[in-house]
Amino acid sequence: QVQLVESGGGVVQPGRSLRLSCAASGFTFNNYYMHWVRQAPGKGLEWVAVISYDGGNKYYADSVKGRFTISRDNSKNTLFLQMSSLRAEDTAIYYCARDLSTHFDWWGQGTLVTVSS
Amino acid sequence: EIVLTQSPGTLSLSPGERATLSCRASQSVSSSYLAWYQQKPGQAPRLLIYGAASRATGIPDRFSGSGSGTDFTLTISGLEPEDSAVYYCHHYGSLYTFGQGTKLEI
Repeated sequence: QVQLVESGGGVVQPGRSLRLSCAASGFTFNNYYMHWVRQAPGKGLEWVAVISYDGGNKYYADSVKGRFTISRDNSKNTLFLQMSSLRAEDTAIYYCARDLSTHFDWWGQGTLVTVSS
Repeated sequence: EIVLTQSPGTLSLSPGERATLSCRASQSVSSSYLAWYQQKPGQAPRLLIYGAASRATGIPDRFSGSGSGTDFTLTISGLEPEDSAVYYCHHYGSLYTFGQGTKLEI
């Protein structure tokens, strides 16, 4: 069955970098656009970034544009989010999600990123 | 940018009752791109409804979606304690907007 497993979260100081991973299994990874969505503690869902099948197209929320980079390695069925210049307001659980062209049908369990000195 | 506004913020009901959750868009959207998700504490969101009215695989028929244009509704009939969760509407558009959520307490 479809599985998305995020990793790479942790505590990081403001201004530093962190890379998140999302390992996909149970489906043909390179047939799907993929997203990152985050959720600050006690808050709602915020879309972060999307990447096309082959990585050729990428789009970002204004709140992370220029600081975050989404990428994928289709040979390893893995999605990435490179986060730099991290701020306190980036503290959140980060979910990867599979795109089914009109909605997100599968979500990972999330990985927590805490930006704090 | 499309803004989704959900109401009420919190809904407290008893088992067996019917819940009606609203999602209003700031401008007309295609119903094909309107989805609902359920999120229980400590869990990832789970797809309930897509295309405004189609149930996702494995979702009980107690859950139904309706609406068009700017007004969409998620209805849960015969509430069960396990339905306690936060429910989000979602527009699959250029910014993949989410509503702020409705907390349902059973």
